[in-house]
Amino acid sequence: DSGVTQTPKHLITATGQRVTLRCSPRSGDLSVYWYQQSLDQGLQFLIQYYNGEERAKGNILERFSAQQFPDLHSELNLSSLELGDSALYFCASSDNSNVLTFGAGSRLTVL
Amino acid sequence: ILNVEQSPQSLHVQEGDSTNFTCSFPSSNFYALHWYRWETAKSPEALFVMTLNGDEKKKGRISATLNTKEGYSYLYIKGSQPEDSATYLCAWGLNAGNMLTFGGGTRLMVKP
Repeated sequence: DSGVTQTPKHLITATGQRVTLRCSPRSGDLSVYWYQQSLDQGLQFLIQYYNGEERAKGNILERFSAQQFPDLHSELNLSSLELGDSALYFCASSDNSNVLTFGAGSRLTVL
Repeated sequence: ILNVEQSPQSLHVQEGDSTNFTCSFPSSNFYALHWYRWETAKSPEALFVMTLNGDEKKKGRISATLNTKEGYSYLYIKGSQPEDSATYLCAWGLNAGNMLTFGGGTRLMVKP
């Protein structure tokens, strides 16, 4: 157990739907990151939050949004889902050492 | 386009072989280079974070070197074991904000 908790582990939904992925960072970590891993692609950085504020944004689609709450947990909202959004979504957290600790991932399947 | 390239994409070795793989990254605007080990059905785990040109890190049979001037890092595994089978990811950090750009990984398979 890495200390980073992601829910749900698996999610199957239909095109056009909206889902929310949840992440609780490791205790003491202020930074939360979201990454997407699609089939045959590497980890793609989506967005980073630090202590509740957006710190950096990567290749995140406009249909996706995220936030980090005062208790430091984060949610990634994916809307108007398309088949191509099927992927493994990782959350990671870090302390000042900048080393990422990853959660187990949420596997999203869009049918 | 700022790319992080890893080679080879995959590697099959026999138990006991030593092996190495390469991570190439933009040599300008460097902050840090990370290596992660990703076993099947698990999440990536940090191996090393290197920040200085010439850095060398070692953990057991695994070591890594860094050349920021030419933009590459090598990961070495001495005497590979079946449990070393995993995908090894490198990630380049542009700044202290830690927005890492990951390479595609090298998938290592060690046959007993």
